[in-house]
Amino acid sequence: NAGVMQNPRHLVRRRGQEARLRCSPMKGHSHVYWYRQLPEEGLKFMVYLQKENIIDESGMPKERFSAEFPKEGPSILRIQQVVRGDSAAYFCASSPPEGQGEKLFFGSGTQLSVL
Amino acid sequence: GNSVTQMEGPVTLSEEAFLTINCTYTATGYPSLFWYVQYPGEGLQLLLKATKADDKGSNKGFEATYRKETTSFHLEKGSVQVSDSAVYFCALSDQSSYDKVIFGPGTSLSVIP
Repeated sequence: NAGVMQNPRHLVRRRGQEARLRCSPMKGHSHVYWYRQLPEEGLKFMVYLQKENIIDESGMPKERFSAEFPKEGPSILRIQQVVRGDSAAYFCASSPPEGQGEKLFFGSGTQLSVL
Repeated sequence: GNSVTQMEGPVTLSEEAFLTINCTYTATGYPSLFWYVQYPGEGLQLLLKATKADDKGSNKGFEATYRKETTSFHLEKGSVQVSDSAVYFCALSDQSSYDKVIFGPGTSLSVIP
């Protein structure tokens, strides 16, 4: 029973390129959350998605960032025209339909480095 | 809004020392409270939880008691090991918003032999 799978583990991009981060939730989980962890800072909520729906995107930057969770396939966090300040660890978590609570499971993260 | 505050790190302790990491919260209603742990290079894992006032969560020798009167949920361990070196996050669930989990800033712990 695989856990939350994120790939790639490490992603290097040059300024101005696009970054795509993928997340496959745990089996049976239909809710996906993305978090960003910056050096010396905590874990910041970005977006909450269910299949084909964005439920809460209150933590997403207004520009360049987007997320989707299609009916088939993994959830994708997309960052266009990356800048150095986007360098961070991005974590995905999933939960079952009844909500987060203690049923929140995290992936191992994608470390994005922008050169 | 709801929020979580933790003591600042990093915390460095010798093996077998006593550990306390302070956590206080602000919330409307009666949230559930959690401690998550992040080992180097990994995602967060749930360490323990408490769902109502005076509950004590415990796991792997760690304990925390839900104190409503002081709005606190301090993490303690009587004797830390090198393998406990990690970042510890206090968190609460926001019942007004799909039980959304709100994390504190994290406290880094290093245990030296």
